[in-house]
Amino acid sequence: NAGVTQTPKFRVLKTGQSMTLLCAQDMNHEYMYWYRQDPGMGLRLIHYSVGEGTTAKGEVPDGYNVSRLKKQNFLLGLESAAPSQTSVYFCASSMTAGELFFGEGSRLTVL
Amino acid sequence: QKEVEQDPGPLSVPEGAIVSLNCTYSNSAFQYFMWYRQYSRKGPELLMYTYSSGNKEDGRFTAQVDKSSKYISLFIRDSQPSDSATYLCAMSENAGNNRKLIWGLGTSLAVNP
Repeated sequence: NAGVTQTPKFRVLKTGQSMTLLCAQDMNHEYMYWYRQDPGMGLRLIHYSVGEGTTAKGEVPDGYNVSRLKKQNFLLGLESAAPSQTSVYFCASSMTAGELFFGEGSRLTVL
Repeated sequence: QKEVEQDPGPLSVPEGAIVSLNCTYSNSAFQYFMWYRQYSRKGPELLMYTYSSGNKEDGRFTAQVDKSSKYISLFIRDSQPSDSATYLCAMSENAGNNRKLIWGLGTSLAVNP
């Protein structure tokens, strides 16, 4: 019963490098989300998707891109990482409404 | 002023104590209120979901909403060390609109054996 799986769990990047975080869910959920969680700032929505092939901006989308080519996967990309993107990233999924199911998080450090 | 205010704690209590966790909010249009629990180095998980005013009970947990005071509470009875976690409140104007959820910063709770 995997639920929401995020890879990688930890990553260290240098400023300017690129990377992709992968989120996979096995609950056949329509909606998927990427959040970042920072001390003193709480959970903030980066991007979300309401179905395969769709993406939309959340509260803090700058510096990130996303893709949802398959219903079960939601990718978060950083094209040119900055120290301000050091954070814990959470993927979540839900039916069209209701409970959010979160992954365990991906801890990213940008030096 | 933030839309949702939550005391970050930390809150430390002995095992068996009654714990009260609270959030205040400024938007009177909020109608749907949630409490998520987040263990260290894990993602949040839904604990309680309430609509409008009133109380909801689930085992040792009671969620209370006072819309007139713009204040929500989560009570934990007979607290256990396994309740040690960060508790996040979240709220929205519309049912199931997770895209418009407003989150508190979370209160860190430690229950000591």
